[in-house]
Amino acid sequence: EAQVTQNPRYLITVTGKKLTVTCSQNMNHEYMSWYRQDPGLGLRQIYYSMNVEVTDKGDVPEGYKVSRKEKRNFPLILESPSPNQTSLYFCASSLLTSGRVNEQYFGPGTRLTVT
Amino acid sequence: AQSVTQLGSHVSVSEGALVLLRCNYSSSVPPYLFWYVQYPNQGLQLLLKYTSAATLVKGINDFEAEFKKSETSFHLTKPSAHMSDAAEYFCAVSAPGGSYIPTFGRGTSLIVHP
Repeated sequence: EAQVTQNPRYLITVTGKKLTVTCSQNMNHEYMSWYRQDPGLGLRQIYYSMNVEVTDKGDVPEGYKVSRKEKRNFPLILESPSPNQTSLYFCASSLLTSGRVNEQYFGPGTRLTVT
Repeated sequence: AQSVTQLGSHVSVSEGALVLLRCNYSSSVPPYLFWYVQYPNQGLQLLLKYTSAATLVKGINDFEAEFKKSETSFHLTKPSAHMSDAAEYFCAVSAPGGSYIPTFGRGTSLIVHP
C-alpha cells in the first residue's frame, strides 16, 4: 500500500530535550516536505527536499533541522525543543512533474507537546 | 510570489444544501491548483486538482471545482452536503513564482447541520 508513515504519532517532551520525528514514504517520490499545523494559521512549511541531499528552508524553519540521506526517509530534528514548537506536524511527499510538485501524499501527523 | 486566500475560516450549511468553499490565488502564470480535505484526527488527502487541462475538475465524493483565470479563483462546490463532509478543507497553489513549491491557504472548516 502506497503510504507516508510518521513516528511517533504522539509525543510529550520537555524543553531542551532533543527529539527526532521520522518520516518514510514507499512511493519513490523525489519531493518530501514537513509542515506544522496550528489553529488559525493553517499549514506552514518548515523544510522541504527536492531529492536526496537537497533540502531547503520553508516558511518557518527556525528551531528545526532535516536531512535527506535516502530517498524514502526525511526525518525532522528538534535540537532543543521549546514550548512554541508544540504543534501538529505533517510529513508529505510528491512526484515531481516537469519540476513541479504535484499532488502531495500526507502522513497521519505527529502531535508534539513541549512542556 | 504566489499566494492563496480562502474566504471564511468557517462555513456552515444544512445537510442537503449546496456547499461552496472559496479559494482565490495569485500567480502570474497558470498554476497547478489543489483542494485537500482533512477529516478529524487524520492527515490531508487530495480531493481534486487542476493542472491546466479541463477547467472544470471533478473529484471524490461529488466535489468539483472550476478554474476561472479571469477571476483567479478555484472555488470548491458540492450540490448536496452530507454530515460526513464535515472537515477542514485546504486550497493550495503551485506556480513558477514560488519555485513550484505549493502554498496552502489557511483552511476552511465546513460544519454540516442536520
